[in-house]
Amino acid sequence: SQKIEQNSEALNIQEGKTATLTCNYTNYSPAYLQWYRQDPGRGPVFLLLIRENEKEKRKERLKVTFDTTLKQSLFHITASQPADSATYLCALAGGATNKLIFGTGTLLAVQP
Amino acid sequence: DTAVSQTPKYLVTQMGNDKSIKCEQNLGHDTMYWYKQDSKKFLKIMFSYNNKELIINETVPNRFSPKSPDKAHLNLHINSLELGDSAVYFCASSPFSSVTTQYFGPGTRLTVL
Repeated sequence: SQKIEQNSEALNIQEGKTATLTCNYTNYSPAYLQWYRQDPGRGPVFLLLIRENEKEKRKERLKVTFDTTLKQSLFHITASQPADSATYLCALAGGATNKLIFGTGTLLAVQP
Repeated sequence: DTAVSQTPKYLVTQMGNDKSIKCEQNLGHDTMYWYKQDSKKFLKIMFSYNNKELIINETVPNRFSPKSPDKAHLNLHINSLELGDSAVYFCASSPFSSVTTQYFGPGTRLTVL
């Protein structure tokens, strides 16, 4: 069955450092992959989308890579800030229905 | 201006009751979704409607019945509530496309006692 795994433990880093979050998947060939941010008590908010034929995407301090051979995506936040503390979800999709399959999420805590 | 709104925000009810959650989007999107997020924060698709037509139904018990009166609204009715239905339910919407992002509502926390 399809499986999507993210860093199972919370990730604690110091302000100013680069946070790197991992998303690994099996038994799936997604057409594209998305990253969302979720704050406590709120719905997920879209951050970045990367297609299967793209290696890397950037948006301000955010960078996503997508390796379809390794079946892995890495999500980087450079110059991290305490305001970046949240749960980050990766989601895979493919097919005409735009059905998203979400990973388990990684809780990021940026310490001042 | 709220893009995707849900009511109520919190819902506490007894086992066996019937309840509804409402969702509205003002983004002009064609497609709407219902997700369930369990206590372990795992977010799973339940249903999707495109322009009032059901396009995704993820083997959800038939006690759950989505209803889309128009493409801006997607309501979720749950019959005979069970303890295991306790979760946060999120509505989302997107333009109809094979590659697009989804916009989520604030969620409805359902607690079944």
